[in-house]
Amino acid sequence: GESVGLHLPTLSVQEGDNSIINCAYSNSASDYFIWYKQESGKGPQFIIDIRSNMDKRQGQRVTVLLNKTVKHLSLQIAATQPGDSAVYFCAENFNFGNEKLTFGTGTRLTIIP
Amino acid sequence: EPEVTQTPSHQVTQMGQEVILRCVPISNHLYFYWYRQILGQKVEFLVSFYNNEISEKSEIFDDQFSVERPDGSNFTLKIRSTKLEDSAMYFCASNRVTDTQYFGPGTRLTVL
Repeated sequence: GESVGLHLPTLSVQEGDNSIINCAYSNSASDYFIWYKQESGKGPQFIIDIRSNMDKRQGQRVTVLLNKTVKHLSLQIAATQPGDSAVYFCAENFNFGNEKLTFGTGTRLTIIP
Repeated sequence: EPEVTQTPSHQVTQMGQEVILRCVPISNHLYFYWYRQILGQKVEFLVSFYNNEISEKSEIFDDQFSVERPDGSNFTLKIRSTKLEDSAMYFCASNRVTDTQYFGPGTRLTVL
């Protein structure tokens, strides 16, 4: 039979506004965290990463914040564009990128023109 | 910019048949992975491969699954006798040492 998919959290943001996507990770031993973007029918695309010895990292229009105390990760996207519409997954790992990634449930971001 | 590539993009097979999914990782990468994503669900780890051997595998990766690096460029996932529940997107990923894993576009496997 057909599997029932998870109901993804959704976030709708007006084009040009900022968006914040949150993620709770599970393993306090994780030392490396990544945000991936997945467009329909495509593979996860790397956006930004952060190691556990940092609490903030900035990229082009994106910022990742890490709060190890509460095991929380967030992705901020500035000045959102229609092309930002996608599902965003956080992933955690230990051993700094080697070995398996454990993915979160994902958040569907929709940019309203 | 180098990319992970996967073939085929879509594979349809009958239950009980064998399938081989193919991947070409990024050329200077040393670690290789297979993940799968059932429709509407999150991405799940299957197996990691380094130095020509499996370094870790999940509970999903049972005796019906195998991986191989038959030459210097390809990395394959074989499912010996497919089941309906194997229907999913299968993603290959690769990375260098202590670096981000980069994903391919995926193969959609449909088991009828």
